[in-house]
Amino acid sequence: SQTIHQWPATLVQPVGSPLSLECTVEGTSNPNLYWYRQAAGRGLQLLFYSVGIGQISSEVPQNLSASRPQDRQFILSSKKLLLSDSGFYLCAWSVGRGVYNEQFFGPGTRLTVL
Amino acid sequence: KNQVEQSPQSLIILEGKNCTLQCNYTVSPFSNLRWYKQDTGRGPVSLTIMTFSENTKSNGRYTATLDADTKQSSLHITASQLSDSASYICVVSTFTNAGKSTFGDGTTLTVKP
Repeated sequence: SQTIHQWPATLVQPVGSPLSLECTVEGTSNPNLYWYRQAAGRGLQLLFYSVGIGQISSEVPQNLSASRPQDRQFILSSKKLLLSDSGFYLCAWSVGRGVYNEQFFGPGTRLTVL
Repeated sequence: KNQVEQSPQSLIILEGKNCTLQCNYTVSPFSNLRWYKQDTGRGPVSLTIMTFSENTKSNGRYTATLDADTKQSSLHITASQLSDSASYICVVSTFTNAGKSTFGDGTTLTVKP
């Protein structure tokens, strides 16, 4: 069966510090991978998605970047965090290009920037 | 612009009661509509998924309906339990290679004993 891991679960970082959140998927090959951010009480905002190794699409201009160094590894980074980067970060995966492109979410990382 | 609007924003019901959550969307071209349940501090978990040709889908005490003509969906919860307390998110996808989706802001349901 497929599983998705995210770490760390929680993170408190000072403004201006770097960031690296990691997401890995097990039990599937060539997944589509996604990074979302969820502000308190709000819906999910798609930040990045990837359809393959080294292929990254950015949905919104921001202080963050993403990389996919391996098929089932997706990394979210920042060189200098801003207060506005605080939020709940979710990684998700899906497979195929068909109609049932259901996304499966990881447990999330709670990021607090002080 | 593709949008998904959910109502109500929040809802409080007593344990054992039924409730219905609404989702209206303007996403086009339509691929599928999904309802997710998100417990506080956790990732969303899929409840139902429906394509254009499906107008109802059940998952235990959860029943989703879809009217593709009016671009409306509802999620009906029967005989609510305390564990149903969560945020319920409506997600609509278009036909794209990466399955890009538009998310509603969710309805926060609180079930009280």
